[in-house]
Amino acid sequence: DTAVSQTPKYLVTQMGNDKSIKCEQNLGHDTMYWYKQDSKKFLKIMFSYNNKELIINETVPNRFSPKSPDKAHLNLHINSLELGDSAVYFCASSQGLAGGEQFFGPGTRLTVL
Amino acid sequence: AQSVAQPEDQVNVAEGNPLTVKCTYSVSGNPYLFWYVQYPNRGLQFLLKYITGDNLVKGSYGFEAEFNKSQTSFHLKKPSALVSDSALYFCAVRDRQRAGSYQLTFGKGTKLSVIP
Repeated sequence: DTAVSQTPKYLVTQMGNDKSIKCEQNLGHDTMYWYKQDSKKFLKIMFSYNNKELIINETVPNRFSPKSPDKAHLNLHINSLELGDSAVYFCASSQGLAGGEQFFGPGTRLTVL
Repeated sequence: AQSVAQPEDQVNVAEGNPLTVKCTYSVSGNPYLFWYVQYPNRGLQFLLKYITGDNLVKGSYGFEAEFNKSQTSFHLKKPSALVSDSALYFCAVRDRQRAGSYQLTFGKGTKLSVIP
């Protein structure tokens, strides 16, 4: 069983479109994250949720809106996609807020044309 | 804010030789340090962590890391490299976000290439 899964794995879309990426974890964790990995492989946190409550919201354009319907899911919706949004987006989860080890999904490669 | 630095973009090592991937940290208080590995087109996988206790931490796939407080370093090591160890390695530090919550701040990554 996949611990942290993301869909889709690849996403190719035009500028200006709206798209969503879904994430699910079956580890029973209560904290979930979204990271962006750019073309230089630099990894930066975007959001974290604990028990469906937004905990971290780094400097991210408000075109990005996370939604957590329950503890096991954290989806990322992106409005008005721009070329600079092209990256690999990783979902992760952990137990609690103490900053322990995180378990990562396989990533979603977003390409904006 | 806490931070980690990985001074090498790339490390090349011959198969069978020992390998070291370097990481230095800058924290206030006691550091919580982590190593992750990313294989091509995959997500990050946890290797090991240091919170307290022995300075030598053992992790997955035969990796270990040595915490050195005086040098503020947390280098990743393996006695004998395998070609399958070739991947991107990230050092990370726990960083306090607000009261009671933390996040991980990652280094920029070091690409390890093990040459047959």
